[in-house]
Amino acid sequence: SYELTQPPSVSVSPGQTVSITCSGDKLGDKYACWYQQKPGQSPVLVIYQDNKRPSGIPERFSGSNSGSTATLTISGTQAMDEADYSCQAWDSSTAYVVFGGGTKLTVL
Amino acid sequence: QVQLQESGPRLVKPSETLSLTCTVSGGSVSSTNFYWGWIRQPPGKGLEWIAYIYYSGSTNYNPSLKSRVTISVDTSKNQFSLRLTSVTAADTAVYYCARLRGYTNNWYIDSWGQGTLVTVSS
Repeated sequence: SYELTQPPSVSVSPGQTVSITCSGDKLGDKYACWYQQKPGQSPVLVIYQDNKRPSGIPERFSGSNSGSTATLTISGTQAMDEADYSCQAWDSSTAYVVFGGGTKLTVL
Repeated sequence: QVQLQESGPRLVKPSETLSLTCTVSGGSVSSTNFYWGWIRQPPGKGLEWIAYIYYSGSTNYNPSLKSRVTISVDTSKNQFSLRLTSVTAADTAVYYCARLRGYTNNWYIDSWGQGTLVTVSS
């Protein structure tokens, strides 16, 4: 079955730029999206269709997807961005929803 | 704005059946542009897709759970439901209902319920 791999944790200093990766076989041929989840809360969609931001998501969140890696980038990271981030793709061969294992972002 | 709300028992005994219902408001499960699904998250772990359903009744299941899972939709009540049989402690998790938006090979979750913690314990 199709799998997505994320680093367990990433850290960043306030105001800096951070990238979180999501790897999968030929992921660039699929669409990737990203969810932000803060403790005790439901996930929130922050990027869909590789690089589109839903209404209300700050411009500092951006996405890209090429080759085997999708990347979520947060520019000018703020303390409020500390959260778990999970990538997700749609496996077209099976129509399964596939999640990455999640990355804990710490803003030091 | 659509809202989803999970309901059902919070405590289930081992070997019994977990049953949850998601009530949709501000939108219709009969909409042709959406799937309706269930996702779970064991304590301290990542998200796991369980199943989704289209208003017509078309379904798809996570292969690792398929033998124990049934998802159904009730358009008259604007609800959809999950049944997971023969539960064990490994099924203890926060269960989310969700709406999937998209097209062709591009589907993502744009709305989530608040989640409900279901504990499997005797």
